[in-house]
Amino acid sequence: DGGITQSPKYLFRKEGQNVTLSCEQNLNHDAMYWYRQDPGQGLRLIYYSQIVNDFQKGDIAEGYSVSREKKESFPLTVTSAQKNPTAFYLCASSIRQGSPLHFGNGTRLTVT
Amino acid sequence: DQQVKQNSPSLSVQEGRISILNCDYTNSMFDYFLWYKKYPAEGPTFLISISSIKDKNEDGRFTVFLNKSAKHLSLHIVPSQPGDSAVYFCAATGANFGNEKLTFGTGTRLTIIP
Repeated sequence: DGGITQSPKYLFRKEGQNVTLSCEQNLNHDAMYWYRQDPGQGLRLIYYSQIVNDFQKGDIAEGYSVSREKKESFPLTVTSAQKNPTAFYLCASSIRQGSPLHFGNGTRLTVT
Repeated sequence: DQQVKQNSPSLSVQEGRISILNCDYTNSMFDYFLWYKKYPAEGPTFLISISSIKDKNEDGRFTVFLNKSAKHLSLHIVPSQPGDSAVYFCAATGANFGNEKLTFGTGTRLTIIP
């Protein structure tokens, strides 16, 4: 079955530590995205990548970093510079620009 | 500034009746709209979309209506079923833009009462 796998489902970290969230897709999609969801807010775009070895900042990129070394993989690092890292993080992909997004099941990150 | 607004955080509907979820937008550049459905502990899944060249798009029990002059769209589910209980997100973008310009609403939690 094709899809997007995010791991882990739940992640706990101490403040000041960097943490990397995994996102893998076997849909052969070119474009991949990272979103953040907070209570009472819509999904907000952190980073996106339209092609391997290229990525762009989204609306809330500060405190985050990404890499796109393989088409299948788009890991997100939440750095210690991110002021409010506790959130639900969703990875998504699309077959091409403008086509509907396919989402993973998310990672809930809690930083204390 | 919330450019896509879903003013009803929650909605309860009797099974078999019609569910109507509303969405308003402020950016006149938006001309492509989507609805996503999200179950707890899962990612959103694409439900239905509509382009501004249409005022209605239907897919089985789901119909989306677009009123461009009012900058308003609505999702109708008929008849509502227990499996429709989920959070529904409205999203908007420009047809000439990619997903990086997709703006999401805050979601409406729909509960179908058996």
